[in-house]
Amino acid sequence: NAGVMQNPRHLVRRRGQEARLRCSPMKGHSHVYWYRQLPEEGLKFMVYLQKENIIDESGMPKERFSAEFPKEGPSILRIQQVVRGDSAAYFCASSPLSNGNQPQHFGDGTRLSIL
Amino acid sequence: DQQVKQNSPSLSVQEGRISILNCDYTNSMFDYFLWYKKYPAEGPTFLISISSIKDKNEDGRFTVFLNKSAKHLSLHIVPSQPGDSAVYFCATLTQGGSEKLVFGKGTKLTVNP
Repeated sequence: NAGVMQNPRHLVRRRGQEARLRCSPMKGHSHVYWYRQLPEEGLKFMVYLQKENIIDESGMPKERFSAEFPKEGPSILRIQQVVRGDSAAYFCASSPLSNGNQPQHFGDGTRLSIL
Repeated sequence: DQQVKQNSPSLSVQEGRISILNCDYTNSMFDYFLWYKKYPAEGPTFLISISSIKDKNEDGRFTVFLNKSAKHLSLHIVPSQPGDSAVYFCATLTQGGSEKLVFGKGTKLTVNP
């Protein structure tokens, strides 16, 4: 009964490189959310996806960031040409249904460090 | 424009006493209010939630109170235990949209033995 799985747990990149963060939702969950937490801050919503569809990307920076949730395989958050300001903890959450009665379950996050 | 505010960055209580964590919000359209608990290097764990049509929800040692007129909610933990030491996040959700959670900045609770 695995929970939300995120990998890698830690990722170090140099400025200008690409970062790929992966998230496998809980079994039976078809809704995936990505959040970012900067130091001393709360989690900020980035994007909400269902299989093969982006439902809401209002929290995504306009450039360099993209997300997908393909029919097969994990959800991917991709950051191109990373900059120091991208250093943060990135959390993925999943839920079985899109309603307030089913709380989102979170993974343990990927801590991204930019050198 | 912070829609969810947790004005106390930290709280320290004695084991066995009550812990009260507070949260204020600005948007009257929120449908659900949730509390998550987070340990270092782990993801947030869901604790308890309350619908906007209720004013109290209880689950074991945890009770959440909602005061809609004041746009305020609180989490009561009684009795507090050392294992409750963590960061507690208040979050809100609006149905009918993307179901995204809007989080406060968190309150770090320390329960002293």
